[in-house]
Amino acid sequence: DARVTQTPRHKVTEMGQEVTMRCQPILGHNTVFWYRQTMMQGLELLAYFRNRAPLDDSGMPKDRFSAEMPDATLATLKIQPSEPRDSAVYFCASGFSLTGELFFGEGSRLTVL
Amino acid sequence: TQLLEQSPQFLSIQEGENLTVYCNSSSVFSSLQWYRQEPGEGPVLLVTVVTGGEVKKLKRLTFQFGDARKDSSLHITAAQPGDTGLYLCAGVNNAGNMLTFGGGTRLMVKP
Repeated sequence: DARVTQTPRHKVTEMGQEVTMRCQPILGHNTVFWYRQTMMQGLELLAYFRNRAPLDDSGMPKDRFSAEMPDATLATLKIQPSEPRDSAVYFCASGFSLTGELFFGEGSRLTVL
Repeated sequence: TQLLEQSPQFLSIQEGENLTVYCNSSSVFSSLQWYRQEPGEGPVLLVTVVTGGEVKKLKRLTFQFGDARKDSSLHITAAQPGDTGLYLCAGVNNAGNMLTFGGGTRLMVKP
């Protein structure tokens, strides 16, 4: 049963610490997305990749967030330094195109104290 | 930026009731997707509508795409507690290179 796998599922950290979230997209999917979800803002697009190349990361605070795809089986989202306002659920999703069906992971719930 | 407004934001009903949730925009979309998200999980695609006026049915769920492809609705007949969740619409722009999510409707169906 193919699925998007995200780690960690939960992370509690202190302000100023570095946080790295990892995602294994579904094998064969060439488009990978990072979203952030909060009650106030809903689902926000942070960044996305096609064939491992970053296409758009305009949704990310550039000074502290970075997203990479070191290989086709791994996407990472890093926050350094983390701040309390970064507390949210971060979702990775993969698919075959920018606008087709998205397959989401279960999310990484981040709490920054 | 193409905005999608979903209404209502919250809905709490009793099992067996019918309901309709809406997804509206001032922009035209080439297609529109509906997702359901259950607590602790990621959104899961329910349906994609492509043609203006199109109606799709998925058991007790009926999805309609507006004639002008600017809006969509989801009607649930005889809601069940298992329908509880966050319903998200997502529109694809006319250029076909952007998917935009609405803010969602949070549905609770009480037994």
